[in-house]
Amino acid sequence: EAGVVQSPRYKIIEKKQPVAFWCNPISGHNTLYWYRQNLGQGPELLIRYENEEAVDDSQLPKDRFSAERLKGVDSTLKIQPAELGDSAVYLCASSTSGTNTGELFFGEGSRLTVL
Amino acid sequence: SQKIEQNSEALNIQEGKTATLTCNYTNYSPAYLQWYRQDPGRGPVFLLLIRENEKEKRKERLKVTFDTTLKQSLFHITASQPADSATYLCALTISGGYNKLIFGAGTRLAVHP
Repeated sequence: EAGVVQSPRYKIIEKKQPVAFWCNPISGHNTLYWYRQNLGQGPELLIRYENEEAVDDSQLPKDRFSAERLKGVDSTLKIQPAELGDSAVYLCASSTSGTNTGELFFGEGSRLTVL
Repeated sequence: SQKIEQNSEALNIQEGKTATLTCNYTNYSPAYLQWYRQDPGRGPVFLLLIRENEKEKRKERLKVTFDTTLKQSLFHITASQPADSATYLCALTISGGYNKLIFGAGTRLAVHP
């Protein structure tokens, strides 16, 4: 069974440029998460989807970040414009349970460096 | 304020010994607690989940305890091996609405031959 697939694995951009990350969750997983992980820190939730609906986006900086999950499968996270402080690893995860009471399956992450 | 505390300093142990990692939390009442392993440059991988009404959970060489009075979970790896070297993250499920999963910063474990 294929795991959670993310791309790109690495991205280097200059500040003020846009960037987008893509995630394909495990087949059949209705719940999809985007987390941001800074160096030496644990993952922090940005947004959670139940199918197409964003049910928790309280930590998403909406002035520059946007996300979508069309058709309730793949998802895209966009940053425009990027700032120096956005340098981090962006992790996508999926699960069968929307209640955070079960296992999350993470992708390998997309490492963003903003210069 | 609410927080999750894991030892920020790396834990260095000798191969064959038992590694014990600590997760303390304040001002949370988690219904579930999970432990994940994360290798450098990789995403976290789920290891174990324990519920608030469970005291202990085991899986092969792994054991997790959950003390809601002390607000603490201990994660044990018995007969540790160099391949167990990684960062271990604890995560709490906080009840309410769709619930929230909050991660600690993790503790790095280094097992030396």
